[in-house]
Amino acid sequence: DTAVSQTPKYLVTQMGNDKSIKCEQNLGHDTMYWYKQDSKKFLKIMFSYNNKELIINETVPNRFSPKSPDKAHLNLHINSLELGDSAVYFCASSPRSAATNEKLFFGSGTQLSVL
Amino acid sequence: AQKVTQAQTEISVVEKEDVTLDCVYETRDTTYYLFWYKQPPSGELVFLIRRNSFDEQNEISGRYSWNFQKSTSSFNFTITASQVVDSAVYFCALSEDNAGNMLTFGGGTRLMVKP
Repeated sequence: DTAVSQTPKYLVTQMGNDKSIKCEQNLGHDTMYWYKQDSKKFLKIMFSYNNKELIINETVPNRFSPKSPDKAHLNLHINSLELGDSAVYFCASSPRSAATNEKLFFGSGTQLSVL
Repeated sequence: AQKVTQAQTEISVVEKEDVTLDCVYETRDTTYYLFWYKQPPSGELVFLIRRNSFDEQNEISGRYSWNFQKSTSSFNFTITASQVVDSAVYFCALSEDNAGNMLTFGGGTRLMVKP
């Protein structure tokens, strides 16, 4: 069973569109994250979220918004897509809160290409 | 602010050679955590190790070993008798004590092991 799963694996879309990436974890973890990996492989945190707290990296444009229907899901919505949004997006989870410096479990990534 | 530098962008070795991946970090915190993650060609991120700043003992796990030296702010990773399956991008990451699971990643080192 996949611990952290993301869909779709590949997403190709036009500039200006709105799209979502879904993430689900079956580990019973409390906290989930979104990371962005650019074309140079640099990884940056975008959000961390549990049912009590959303922490946003201040460099993330407000076109990006996380939505969590329940503890096992953290979806990433992106409005008005831009060329620079093209990247691989990784979902991750950890057992407890974001304050515990724990090992993260990563999904396999979603490659977003904006044309 | 924290920073992680992996000066080696790409390394190419022949199978059975030993190879060391360098990681140098910067932080003002006295309590912090260091990680290594592997990203194979399939794209997912795989956790390898987590160390805290108070534990400078070197660690060995099979063909993998890690050398943590606070004096030089380094956390280097050595693969002994490399194999083709070790080919991947390897990321070093830092988490400061007050940053929870927010990881700062290095730029990654692409390791290519040739038969």
